Amino acid sequence: EVQLVESGGALVQPGASLRLSCEASGFSFSTYWMSWIRQAPGKGLEWVAHIKEDGSEKYYVDSVKGRFTISRDSAKNSLYLQMNSLRAEDTAVYYCMRQGQDWGQGTMVTVSS
Amino acid sequence: DVVMTQSPLSLPVTLGQPASISCRSSQSLVKSDGTTRLYWFQQRPGQSPRRLIYWVSNRDSGVPDRFSGSGSGTDFTLKISRVEAEDVGVYYCMQGIYWPHTFGQGTKLEIK
Repeated sequence: EVQLVESGGALVQPGASLRLSCEASGFSFSTYWMSWIRQAPGKGLEWVAHIKEDGSEKYYVDSVKGRFTISRDSAKNSLYLQMNSLRAEDTAVYYCMRQGQDWGQGTMVTVSS
Repeated sequence: DVVMTQSPLSLPVTLGQPASISCRSSQSLVKSDGTTRLYWFQQRPGQSPRRLIYWVSNRDSGVPDRFSGSGSGTDFTLKISRVEAEDVGVYYCMQGIYWPHTFGQGTKLEIK
């Protein structure tokens, strides 16, 4: 059974940094592209970042370019999202997703003073 | 970015009746390999999204056959043949060919 478990969400002040993690199990992690999707409270879904199977290609939505970095560690079957210079508009539930198919339960990030 | 436009945004349906959601993309979603990268997701209240349909019309494992997808190029439709109580939630279309991948605004299905 595919499992994706996110962690690392928190309440932080504007300008702070945060690192989200997603621990994957139940599939061969190194053979799937992975993504982070977010959903602001009461709003729709927004694709944040994507990383190829081997980490060689990464894509970001414009609003996070230069602030967020997606990475993966196949030895730990884990996906990460390093978020710097956080803004109020980054407040959302962040989901880890496997190749457009399987989703985690999400982790909440709140940016507020 | 490719804009995905869904209609309607709110869909009240009587139990047992059909429902239909339209999704239109601002660019063709046909990939060079001939596949069309249009997906449908369901998000039930308080839950994570779940993929229902991939590549326009292919149902994911475990998805009831009352759900069907159709369309081509830039115009797509998700149909539910007979709505059940468990179908309440928000439905999103998504394009998976251009970066960033983009979602429609969501269609909220509720029972009348």
